Amino acid sequence: EDKVVQSPLSLVVHEGDTVTLNCSYEVTNFRSLLWYKQEKKAPTFLFMLTSSGIEKKSGRLSSILDKKELSSILNITATQTGDSAIYLCAVPYSGGGADGLTFGKGTHLIIQP
Amino acid sequence: GAVVSQHPSWVICKSGTSVKIECRSLDFQATTMFWYRQFPKQSLMLMATSNEGSKATYEQGVEKDKFLINHASLTLSTLTVTSAHPEDSSFYICSARRQGGTPLHFGNGTRLTVT
Repeated sequence: EDKVVQSPLSLVVHEGDTVTLNCSYEVTNFRSLLWYKQEKKAPTFLFMLTSSGIEKKSGRLSSILDKKELSSILNITATQTGDSAIYLCAVPYSGGGADGLTFGKGTHLIIQP
Repeated sequence: GAVVSQHPSWVICKSGTSVKIECRSLDFQATTMFWYRQFPKQSLMLMATSNEGSKATYEQGVEKDKFLINHASLTLSTLTVTSAHPEDSSFYICSARRQGGTPLHFGNGTRLTVT
């Protein structure tokens, strides 16, 4: 059974701090790893990672995959209150005839002013 | 802009009634759509995979007679919660996949409250 584990489950920091969110996975057939940000409604896509060691960057957010360690990190620098959200990590899977995403439980990030 | 539209965004219904939720892909044809459920402070759980023109594939533990899925066209899938009970109250989200692509786009979700 595919598994995605995120840590920490919750994190409270002050504005301006840098945070690192972790995601580890166990899947039968790895294809990619995805990061999403979920505020009040549906998740919005951040990154899709397929290759180990190649950093993807978007503004203050960056992410990298380590296939040897079966893990990924999401970094946010110079955090702002608008970064407060749940950050979800997911991997596509195929199992039992279904083909969707397995999500981790998410990291609930709170940025205090 | 949104590429997956979900409707309604919230619904309140009485116990025993049925509720239909629509998921539309707006600018692409989605041969496959996915329905997820999310309880408060928990992650998204895949309920079923909806395939255009064929029967949906349900995850273990999801009652297919209770959660009816119809994928009648390449841009529309519907989830009907039949004979809803308060324990069905949840946040339901759909995701649509472009052919050959990893699902990247989610609808805005539907908050269902059963009283």
